[in-house]
Amino acid sequence: DAGVIQSPRHEVTEMGQEVTLRCKPISGHNSLFWYRQTMMRGLELLIYFNNNVPIDDSGMPEDRFSAKMPNASFSTLKIQPSEPRDSAVYFCASSFPPGTDEQYFGPGTRLTVT
Amino acid sequence: GESVGLHLPTLSVQEGDNSIINCAYSNSASDYFIWYKQESGKGPQFIIDIRSNMDKRQGQRVTVLLNKTVKHLSLQIAATQPGDSAVYFCAELYGGATNKLIFGTGTLLAVQP
Repeated sequence: DAGVIQSPRHEVTEMGQEVTLRCKPISGHNSLFWYRQTMMRGLELLIYFNNNVPIDDSGMPEDRFSAKMPNASFSTLKIQPSEPRDSAVYFCASSFPPGTDEQYFGPGTRLTVT
Repeated sequence: GESVGLHLPTLSVQEGDNSIINCAYSNSASDYFIWYKQESGKGPQFIIDIRSNMDKRQGQRVTVLLNKTVKHLSLQIAATQPGDSAVYFCAELYGGATNKLIFGTGTLLAVQP
């Protein structure tokens, strides 16, 4: 299995632009998680989905952030408009509870907003 | 203004020594715990897990200890190697109807050759 796939790996954009991050979970996993990691706040859960349905989005910082999961093999995290304080590494993870609660992380997308 | 980042606790050990990384968790109702390893430029990688009905679990060169009385978790790495250098996170699963993992702030393990 290729593991969790994220794209792009690096994104540099200007303030005000729309940013879309993409994730393909491990095949067969029915839970998907979006995290943000910064030096200031560490690793934060933004939102997670079970069976393509958003379950907990309490970590989404603002209305500028939105996430979708149109099918079991694809999810997007969108920031519109982007701001410099959104600069971070964004991770996607997937799992298959109750078989396992272990979350498998992708390589992350490093976002820089100038 | 000046930005203030997280000051990660750092554990520096000599190659070949044993390492012990500690973690305090927050929720007494948490029933599942995971240790993750994150190398520079990579995503967190699963090391070992433990359920709340256990107090010890062993893997290859790693052991996790769980003390529910004081809400404390530790990761022991035997014969630490340079490749073990990374940030280590503990995570707790609140359980119940959620599979939401809450991560600690992490500990940087630096292995000196």
